[in-house]
Amino acid sequence: AQSVTQLDSHVSVSEGTPVLLRCNYSSSYSPSLFWYVQHPNKGLQLLLKYTSAATLVKGINGFEAEFKKSETSFHLTKPSAHMSDAAEYFCVVSDLDSGNTPLVFGKGTRLSVIA
Amino acid sequence: SAVISQKPSRDICQRGTSLTIQCQVDSQVTMMFWYRQQPGQSLTLIATANQGSEATYESGFVIDKFPISRPNLTFSTLTVSNMSPEDSSIYLCSVDSGGYEQYFGPGTRLTVT
Repeated sequence: AQSVTQLDSHVSVSEGTPVLLRCNYSSSYSPSLFWYVQHPNKGLQLLLKYTSAATLVKGINGFEAEFKKSETSFHLTKPSAHMSDAAEYFCVVSDLDSGNTPLVFGKGTRLSVIA
Repeated sequence: SAVISQKPSRDICQRGTSLTIQCQVDSQVTMMFWYRQQPGQSLTLIATANQGSEATYESGFVIDKFPISRPNLTFSTLTVSNMSPEDSSIYLCSVDSGGYEQYFGPGTRLTVT
């Protein structure tokens, strides 16, 4: 069974500094990996996805993530944080070969951006 | 991407009552999903709903408590039955994009008093 571990429940950065949100996964098959963002009182928005193509994935709003199979990691990064990036971020895994598409969510990382 | 709407957006309900949440998609989709997000927590899948068949429930969720309807390819309902304060959560529906990811509705914020 697949699972996701988000290593930090809360990350705080200063505006203009890099962002790193860490995610490790466990999957029996070939995983699809996603990062979703949830702003306060808003729905979930897909930031980016990995589905066995290029290991460095670029998403919206300047975010990117690198799939590292040897480390079973899919960390989310952004070179320069903006105040509007403050939100809850979820790392999500799904198995490509398992025949259905249930998503398994990590517990989330709350990103705070300090002016 | 699909546009998904949910009704109601929020509600406050008395314990022991039931609430039906509606999910409408602007295009035909095969699979729809219902999730629960308890306060300060991550999302947990309740069930998968395919049109024309019974919903498939995840461990810990039962049809008597969370009956689901899927009458056509653009609509589904989730009922939260015999509510207790522990049912206070955000309930979200999502649809399969056909490209592995899912698109989510805005959620229904339920408070049970």
